Amino acid sequence: DGGITQSPKYLFRKEGQNVTLSCEQNLNHDAMYWYRQDPGQGLRLIYYSQIVNDFQKGDIAEGYSVSREKKESFPLTVTSAQKNPTAFYLCASSQGITQPQHFGDGTRLSIL
Amino acid sequence: AQSVTQLDSHVSVSEGTPVLLRCNYSSSYSPSLFWYVQHPNKGLQLLLKYTSAATLVKGINGFEAEFKKSETSFHLTKPSAHMSDAAEYFCVVSVYTNAGKSTFGDGTTLTVKP
Repeated sequence: DGGITQSPKYLFRKEGQNVTLSCEQNLNHDAMYWYRQDPGQGLRLIYYSQIVNDFQKGDIAEGYSVSREKKESFPLTVTSAQKNPTAFYLCASSQGITQPQHFGDGTRLSIL
Repeated sequence: AQSVTQLDSHVSVSEGTPVLLRCNYSSSYSPSLFWYVQHPNKGLQLLLKYTSAATLVKGINGFEAEFKKSETSFHLTKPSAHMSDAAEYFCVVSVYTNAGKSTFGDGTTLTVKP
């Protein structure tokens, strides 16, 4: 079945540590997205990529970095510069700009 | 610029009664509009989409929404609520000129009472 796989499901970060969240899709979609969701709130866009080897900052990119070396993969690194990383992170992909987005089941990141 | 407002943060209904979740949008261009559902600790699942075809859009699980340009609304309805409908619902607007950035509403929590 086609879809988006996020791993791990739960992740813990120590102070000063960088962590990387994985996102893989087999839908052959060009566009991929990373969102952050805090309790009781909507989704905020961190980074997005419309094509391989290209990505743009979203609304809350500070303290995060991404790469898009392959069409099917869009990993997100939460750096030590992100002082409040505890949240639910969602990855999505879409066929085009105004097409529906398909979401993974998320990674919940917590601080040790 | 584009924006979306979900008018109710919480909606509570009894099982078997109608559901109405309200969404207003603002857009300088013709929008694409979506409703998604999110169950706890899960990703979002598409319920339905409007992309300038029929104004009454039917989705999965008995949900439908009507695009009303004059009222800039895209309200989600279901004739009869089921316990499994209890979840968070998001209204989303997307415009081609906005470089791939969709705008999400803050969400509406639907509670279904037995």
